[in-house]
Amino acid sequence: AQSVTQLGSHVSVSEGALVLLRCNYSSSVPPYLFWYVQYPNQGLQLLLKYTTGATLVKGINGFEAEFKKSETSFHLTKPSAHMSDAAEYFCAVSGGGTSYGKLTFGQGTILTVHP
Amino acid sequence: EPEVTQTPSHQVTQMGQEVILRCVPISNHLYFYWYRQILGQKVEFLVSFYNNEISEKSEIFDDQFSVERPDGSNFTLKIRSTKLEDSAMYFCASELAGGKGDTQYFGPGTRLTVL
Repeated sequence: AQSVTQLGSHVSVSEGALVLLRCNYSSSVPPYLFWYVQYPNQGLQLLLKYTTGATLVKGINGFEAEFKKSETSFHLTKPSAHMSDAAEYFCAVSGGGTSYGKLTFGQGTILTVHP
Repeated sequence: EPEVTQTPSHQVTQMGQEVILRCVPISNHLYFYWYRQILGQKVEFLVSFYNNEISEKSEIFDDQFSVERPDGSNFTLKIRSTKLEDSAMYFCASELAGGKGDTQYFGPGTRLTVL
């Protein structure tokens, strides 16, 4: 079975500060890892994903994440927060075997950005 | 840009009533999913659907739930006899190729309230 843990249900940063949202996963097979963002009253939008290859993945809106197999982590970062980054962020994992497509989500992290 | 749409955005029903939630996936996608999110909890996988049959379902997806692709464009989730605990946001997602780290595109969700 796969699982995802997001450390911190709420993260608050100042505009221009570093954003760091933490995600750890558990998977018995090589994982595919995703970060989704949800703005109020909207669906989940893919920020970035790791499948194979380069472990540092760049996504939309200046976000990036690094897959660290030894730490079973896939933390999301952005060098400089913008007010428009305020949203809820979900880390998710899928993998091989018979569950190729099924996404297993973390509990989400609400990011607040202060002026 | 193509998007997944869902109707209605909000449905209120009485306990024991049947509800049908509708989704229009992206037109050339082949894999379809339903997820739900109970308020304050994780997004949970319900079911995946490919080639007109269920690929995988979670333990949540019991005999009260069914899915159908009635006309080649719509993808529906039916709950036969709703319970209070079915109150949640239901998300539909579609995927082009299925698994292997492919991207699932989510709709905006239907908020189901069971009274």
